[in-house]
This record gives sequence, C-alpha cells and structure tokens, in this order.
Amino acid sequence: EADIYQTPRYLVIGTGKKITLECSQTMGHDKMYWYQQDPGMELHLIHYSYGVNSTEKGDLSSESTVSRIRTEHFPLTLESARPSHTSQYLCASTPQTLGTEAFFGQGTRLTVV
Amino acid sequence: KQEVTQIPAALSVPEGENLVLNCSFTDSAIYNLQWFRQDPGKGLTSLLLIQSSQREQTSGRLNASLDKSSGRSTLYIAASQPGDSATYLCAVSPTGTGGFKTIFGAGTRLFVKA
Repeated sequence: EADIYQTPRYLVIGTGKKITLECSQTMGHDKMYWYQQDPGMELHLIHYSYGVNSTEKGDLSSESTVSRIRTEHFPLTLESARPSHTSQYLCASTPQTLGTEAFFGQGTRLTVV
Repeated sequence: KQEVTQIPAALSVPEGENLVLNCSFTDSAIYNLQWFRQDPGKGLTSLLLIQSSQREQTSGRLNASLDKSSGRSTLYIAASQPGDSATYLCAVSPTGTGGFKTIFGAGTRLFVKA
C-alpha cells in the first residue's frame, strides 16, 4: 500500500478563506505533484517539485501555491478560496528514477461556498 | 501535443464477462504507460506500469498491452466481478518532460452487474 497521505479528505469552506491542503509521503520520493480533477474529467497537473526547495507550475493555470521545505511534505495553499476552486485535488509522488510508478494519495475534495 | 483518449467512456457488463478497455495516445515518444483504478471520490491506485520497451504486463486477472508505434494500449480484465466497478484511467509519461508531465485520459467508467 502506498504511503502517501492527504488531509483533509473533505473540506467545505466559505469564499475568501485561506486554506492549505496537506500532502505527506514516507517513501522518500524526490518528485511530488499536485493534480486537479473535476468530476468525470481528466487529471490536470497544477504543480510539481523535483525535490526540496524546488517547485514548478504545471500545465493548468492555478491560483494556488506550493512549497517544498521537506522531502516528505508538499502542501498546497489557496490564499483566498473561490467557488471556481471547487474540485478534487490529488497529490502524487515518484522516485527520482525516470519511468517509475506513480503513487497517489486519496485526494481532497474541496467545496467552496 | 500529447493527447490520451479512452474508449468507451462508460461500460456496463454482467459479472463474469471478459472485457477490454482501450487507450490511445497521439505521440509515441513516451517513457511508459500506466493504468490506474479510481473509486468514486478516491485517489488513484496503480494497476500496471508498462515501460516503453515492453509489450505487456500482467497482474492477476489484469493484462495490459502496449503498441507504442500505433499509439495504443489495452487493459484486459478477465472474469469481471462487481468489485471491479470503478473508473479506469490510462496515463502516459512523455519523454522530454523529465517524467513530470504525465498525461491522463478521461477514464472508462466500468460497472459490473452482479
């Protein structure tokens, strides 16, 4: 079983609030990712990280930000949540070696009201 | 630009039936192709990973094939069970992206009737 955890699993929050979605992995993986997925739709990469102190934006523009201060931790922050941010957010990690299996967390389903 | 398409979008079969899910991708320059399972409201669970140099991988009742030159992969599920009901996603890791920009299909939603 994959050792990658996301909290919270579900979050309902009011417009304008600041939120942080947590993602932690205990596998020592260097690469970590955040994806956004709307119901029945593809996953879209919004952020990724090569390792500590490395963060990059993905293909899908996002108003969120990320940080990577520790290898095992890759939190995603929304400074001011809006209803358009309502979605499922999935965190994933892979080892440094190319072409290896990706491990996903259980996801955080965010609803902004 | 790499695009991944999965057909059919949804599938309903009776228990016990063998079935095939299809995935196609537009650019054959990939490191690997991975099949995932996603239960409603949950994350993704990796089922099978096929490296670009491989033709197929098997795990239990699952068999995935890869034809890189034609840009196709199939996931074969033998003797389907109600517990197989989920969305199955195909994803490719294009070369030239450092393995980061994995491209996902929209998935095939499978329902196996008891």
